[in-house]
Amino acid sequence: GENVEQHPSTLSVQEGDSAVIKCTYSDSASNYFPWYKQELGKRPQLIIDIRSNVGEKKDQRIAVTLNKTAKHFSLHITETQPEDSAVYFCAASKYPQGAQKLVFGQGTRLTINP
Amino acid sequence: SAVISQKPSRDICQRGTSLTIQCQVDSQVTMMFWYRQQPGQSLTLIATANQGSEATYESGFVIDKFPISRPNLTFSTLTVSNMSPEDSSIYLCSGGRLDTGELFFGEGSRLTVL
Repeated sequence: GENVEQHPSTLSVQEGDSAVIKCTYSDSASNYFPWYKQELGKRPQLIIDIRSNVGEKKDQRIAVTLNKTAKHFSLHITETQPEDSAVYFCAASKYPQGAQKLVFGQGTRLTINP
Repeated sequence: SAVISQKPSRDICQRGTSLTIQCQVDSQVTMMFWYRQQPGQSLTLIATANQGSEATYESGFVIDKFPISRPNLTFSTLTVSNMSPEDSSIYLCSGGRLDTGELFFGEGSRLTVL
């Protein structure tokens, strides 16, 4: 089955700097790659996603890139702010064949230092 | 997004007892899933809740321990049976939109087993 590896497990950056979180996946049939942000005690929130027919997607300060050949995808957060502090999870699924069964990475705890 | 409502939000349970968690989703959702998130860990899929039929369980999860019902399109329950302290965890209901592949989560039910 699918296996998603996520690095780093913790990341600390200065406010205003950029943060990058990387994930690799094992199943070449996976084609949908969402990212979730989970604040302490809250539910995971979908923040951005990318599909296998796209190499990059941006939404304001957040961007995601996908390299299908290498089977890895990354989350980029620019101009980080204190409210970006949270745990971020990457995930992969085969949509629609996989009926949205997401396999999650281990998570990255991002801390933004003022 | 989609509206996913889950209850109870938290409970403290005695060893050997069972607890049922309820989840209500809005009509945008077609697929429903149950995930477990152990303290400080990632999200692990327990099962897919199938409308009007038996749930589809992932490896390591069995129906006797985690019976799931989905009597209609927008409602599902997860029961954690014969609980032990190892079952202390957050249980998350999730709903997926078949048209986009997006998956949304409920607030989670934090169970503590004494």
